[in-house]
Amino acid sequence: SQTIHQWPATLVQPVGSPLSLECTVEGTSNPNLYWYRQAAGRGLQLLFYSVGIGQISSEVPQNLSASRPQDRQFILSSKKLLLSDSGFYLCAWSVKGRGEAFFGQGTRLTVV
Amino acid sequence: GQNIDQPTEMTATEGAIVQINCTYQTSGFNGLFWYQQHAGEAPTFLSYNVLDGLEEKGRFSSFLSRSKGYSYLLLKELQMKDSASYLCAVRGSGGYNKLIFGAGTRLAVHP
Repeated sequence: SQTIHQWPATLVQPVGSPLSLECTVEGTSNPNLYWYRQAAGRGLQLLFYSVGIGQISSEVPQNLSASRPQDRQFILSSKKLLLSDSGFYLCAWSVKGRGEAFFGQGTRLTVV
Repeated sequence: GQNIDQPTEMTATEGAIVQINCTYQTSGFNGLFWYQQHAGEAPTFLSYNVLDGLEEKGRFSSFLSRSKGYSYLLLKELQMKDSASYLCAVRGSGGYNKLIFGAGTRLAVHP
């Protein structure tokens, strides 16, 4: 069966520090991968999606970047965090040609 | 543009039935999804509609009308554990299976 791992679960970082969140998927090949952000009490905002290694599409201009160095690995990064980067970050995957996405457990990021 | 609307909050009584509505305007349509999200947790997939009509899965059912840009999630025999946010999401056209989410409906089930 397929599983998705996302870490860390919680993170407190100072303003201006770098960020690296990692997500890996097991049990499937060539998935579509996604990074979403959820502000407190709000819906999910799509940040990045990837259909293959090295292929990244950005949905909104922001202080973040994403990379996909391996088929089942998706990384969210920032060189310098802003207070507004605080939120609940969710990695997700889906099978190509099917719509439903399956989410990792999320990382709650607090920038102080 | 893309717009997905849901009520912000709803309350219901244990054992009752509740209907959560979702209306959408998107660039193309390739399916509508419902997710459940408990506070502080990741969303979990509940249902998928791509054709008009009702899809039933146990206590949960989801309905779709593509011509009206409308869907609802029906929860029967409500239990306290059903207190959660319910997210409506639409897959538009253009490939990549991108899901665009509404803001979610926070459901509180009372004894």
